[in-house]
Amino acid sequence: DTAVSQTPKYLVTQMGNDKSIKCEQNLGHDTMYWYKQDSKKFLKIMFSYNNKELIINETVPNRFSPKSPDKAHLNLHINSLELGDSAVYFCASSQAASGVYQETQYFGPGTRLLVL
Amino acid sequence: AQKVTQAQTEISVVEKEDVTLDCVYETRDTTYYLFWYKQPPSGELVFLIRRNSFDEQNEISGRYSWNFQKSTSSFNFTITASQVVDSAVYFCALSEDHGSGNTGKLIFGQGTTLQVKP
Repeated sequence: DTAVSQTPKYLVTQMGNDKSIKCEQNLGHDTMYWYKQDSKKFLKIMFSYNNKELIINETVPNRFSPKSPDKAHLNLHINSLELGDSAVYFCASSQAASGVYQETQYFGPGTRLLVL
Repeated sequence: AQKVTQAQTEISVVEKEDVTLDCVYETRDTTYYLFWYKQPPSGELVFLIRRNSFDEQNEISGRYSWNFQKSTSSFNFTITASQVVDSAVYFCALSEDHGSGNTGKLIFGQGTTLQVKP
């Protein structure tokens, strides 16, 4: 059973389109994250949700909107896609991010987005 | 400010050689967490190890070992008798504890690409 899954795995689209990436975890974790990996492999946090509540919004353009319908799902919607949005987007989850104990984050397989 | 530096961009070794991947971190917190992740050519991110700042004990797992030294703010990763399957990008990451404000954000280093040649 896949612990953290993402769909789609590959996404090729035209500039200006709107697209969504879905993430689901079956680990029973409370916290979910979105990270972006650029062409130089650099990984950076975008968003984090804890029990459906937004706790991190890391200066991401407001064309990016995360949505968490329940604590097992965190979807990423991107409006008006730009060439610079081309990257690999990783979803992750952990047991807890609040309090004094930082749990390990487990990552999904990534979604490779190419904007033409 | 928190920061993770992996100064080695690429390392190339021949199979069976030992190799050490360096990781140096900066943080103002006294409680923090360090991680290593592996990203094989297939692209997924695989968790390898986590170390809490209050636990300086080194760890060995098979051919992998980690050396955590708070005095030098380093968390180095050694692969003994490397194999071709070890070829990957390896990331060191830091998460800070801000008490009740802990956001769980992982700060990644730039990654070290390890190529193990047969």
